[in-house]
Amino acid sequence: LAKTTQPISMDSYEGQEVNITCSHNNIATNDYITWYQQFPSQGPRFIIQGYKTKVTNEVASLFIPADRKSSTLSLPRVSLSDTAVYYCLVVRGGSYIPTFGRGTSLIVHP
Amino acid sequence: GAGVSQSPRYKVTKRGQDVALRCDPISGHVSLYWYRQALGQGPEFLTYFNYEAQQDKSGLPNDRFSAERPEGSISTLTIQRTEQRDSAMYRCASSVSRTADQETQYFGPGTRLLVL
Repeated sequence: LAKTTQPISMDSYEGQEVNITCSHNNIATNDYITWYQQFPSQGPRFIIQGYKTKVTNEVASLFIPADRKSSTLSLPRVSLSDTAVYYCLVVRGGSYIPTFGRGTSLIVHP
Repeated sequence: GAGVSQSPRYKVTKRGQDVALRCDPISGHVSLYWYRQALGQGPEFLTYFNYEAQQDKSGLPNDRFSAERPEGSISTLTIQRTEQRDSAMYRCASSVSRTADQETQYFGPGTRLLVL
């Protein structure tokens, strides 16, 4: 399975754009990149998933370069309620075991 | 609609006792996963079911841990002869299909287990 590396913590301020980069150097051809968000005292919640290039939904954008060895989750204009832990996962196509790392703890300040 | 539910939400037990944790997945979801999450860590995979069949139990720490999903819906994670190191948040998740690569997993609120 591809190992992921992401910053342990990040700080931002309300209204700013936040970019969290995850590296996954040994990603395989049939691996997908998935990001989850977890608020304190809650279970993780799916944010976005992609395979290559750019994916955008109502919550975030996911940028994946051509070599797919990294990915960047972009949160536009964060608010205090975006304070959470963000997990980057690489899941093997046809697999069933997502592997969560420690995630990135994002704190948004007023 | 109803999400994934787990019960009890909190369980305090004495060392040596058996505990049973219940997960009620979203109706119609094929796959059900159990995770354990320590404070400050991401969820750690324990076991996984497709319908009633346990597909993988490689993440179960030892033979004191077992899980079942007899009718392909509700699942129970049982820990026998609990030890203090079993204290953690136990989370359940379900998804529509059989593989995790393109399918969202929906997590329940978890059961906080404390073994005294």
